[in-house]
Amino acid sequence: EAQVTQNPRYLITVTGKKLTVTCSQNMNHEYMSWYRQDPGLGLRQIYYSMNVEVTDKGDVPEGYKVSRKEKRNFPLILESPSPNQTSLYFCASSGRQGARDTEAFFGQGTRLTVV
Amino acid sequence: AQTVTQSQPEMSVQEAETVTLSCTYDTSENNYYLFWYKQPPSRQMILVIRQEAYKQQNATENRFSVNFQKAAKSFSLKISDSQLGDTAMYFCAFIPFSGTYKYIFGTGTRLKVLA
Repeated sequence: EAQVTQNPRYLITVTGKKLTVTCSQNMNHEYMSWYRQDPGLGLRQIYYSMNVEVTDKGDVPEGYKVSRKEKRNFPLILESPSPNQTSLYFCASSGRQGARDTEAFFGQGTRLTVV
Repeated sequence: AQTVTQSQPEMSVQEAETVTLSCTYDTSENNYYLFWYKQPPSRQMILVIRQEAYKQQNATENRFSVNFQKAAKSFSLKISDSQLGDTAMYFCAFIPFSGTYKYIFGTGTRLKVLA
């Protein structure tokens, strides 16, 4: 089954404690990205990756890091989480522009609370 | 800057009735894709319908159809015979053929179907 697997689904942490949210896709997609969803703001892109070892900032990258060492995995790292990073996070993957698989496939979401 | 605007934060509709959700976007691109995604209370992002900008024919998927007006940069979603399971947040999204391959989302419309 084609899917994007994101873990954990829920996470409560304290300010400053490093955490990683994992994301893995089994569709051999080139493009992966991270979004955060906040009420009234929709989904905003944090980082994206066009392929292995190729990453770039989205609209709200401050306080986040990513890596793309393998095509299937794209973890999101919060080195020193702060309360303003409390949000719902989504990982998404898709093929390449011009291809029929332009549709983005989303993970199940991670509800992160930083206290 | 490319933007997507959903001007209706909340809507409600009676079961079996028809409802239209509005979406406008701003871009200088000529080729792009437009999407409607549904997010039920489970938080999962589900693709509802997709439209390629170079196609004049409006996309349809069962009870869901769009009214795509390229010149007006408008992309509304019509849900016919509304069902209780249609209750969800709906996001309009846009991705250009060229550039950074970034999905741009609207702020969402929360739809409630009333029994």
